[in-house]
Amino acid sequence: DVKVTQSSRYLVKRTGEKVFLECVQDMDHENMFWYRQDPGLGLRLIYFSYDVKMKEKGDIPEGYSVSREKKERFSLILESASTNQTSMYLCASSNLAGGPYDTQYFGPGTRLTVL
Amino acid sequence: ILNVEQSPQSLHVQEGDSTNFTCSFPSSNFYALHWYRWETAKSPEALFVMTLNGDEKKKGRISATLNTKEGYSYLYIKGSQPEDSATYLCAFSGGSTLGRLYFGRGTQLTVWP
Repeated sequence: DVKVTQSSRYLVKRTGEKVFLECVQDMDHENMFWYRQDPGLGLRLIYFSYDVKMKEKGDIPEGYSVSREKKERFSLILESASTNQTSMYLCASSNLAGGPYDTQYFGPGTRLTVL
Repeated sequence: ILNVEQSPQSLHVQEGDSTNFTCSFPSSNFYALHWYRWETAKSPEALFVMTLNGDEKKKGRISATLNTKEGYSYLYIKGSQPEDSATYLCAFSGGSTLGRLYFGRGTQLTVWP
């Protein structure tokens, strides 16, 4: 079974803090994705990566950065957390070889609250 | 940003009812349409990947159809059960070789016993 794990299920941080959200997958997938989910807005793509040290901006990259130093790990960084970044964050991975046909496998999500 | 629309936004049905909802997507540059089920406190899980116009997929009581020429897909649930309560997401793949998906906002289904 594909497993995607995220470092925390719940996280509370203060405005201005630097926040790291970690995601690890165990299926040797090349593609990894970070989404945020807000009520009524669905899943919105923040960043994705198709290889180590590679990254691509998604639809809402402002206020975020990412790091992919190892194939299995993809980190989302909030450089200076703000209250409008309070959200559910989901990580996903997929096989590059499958291209547009391949299923994305999701982690359980991290619910981040910024006070 | 590609526009993927799902309707209705939410649906409440009684146990045993059959139900269906819609996903609309761009009809050009189509590669695949994905359906996911997302239960509360769990991860979204893939239901179907559909690629050909006229495709029909089935998994138990859940089935889906695809019309790529007009840009829509229907998801059907026959004889809904409380365990079918979840948010159903569709996602469009427009040919990105990097596997990027464009998600709709989802249809939240509640099945009452």
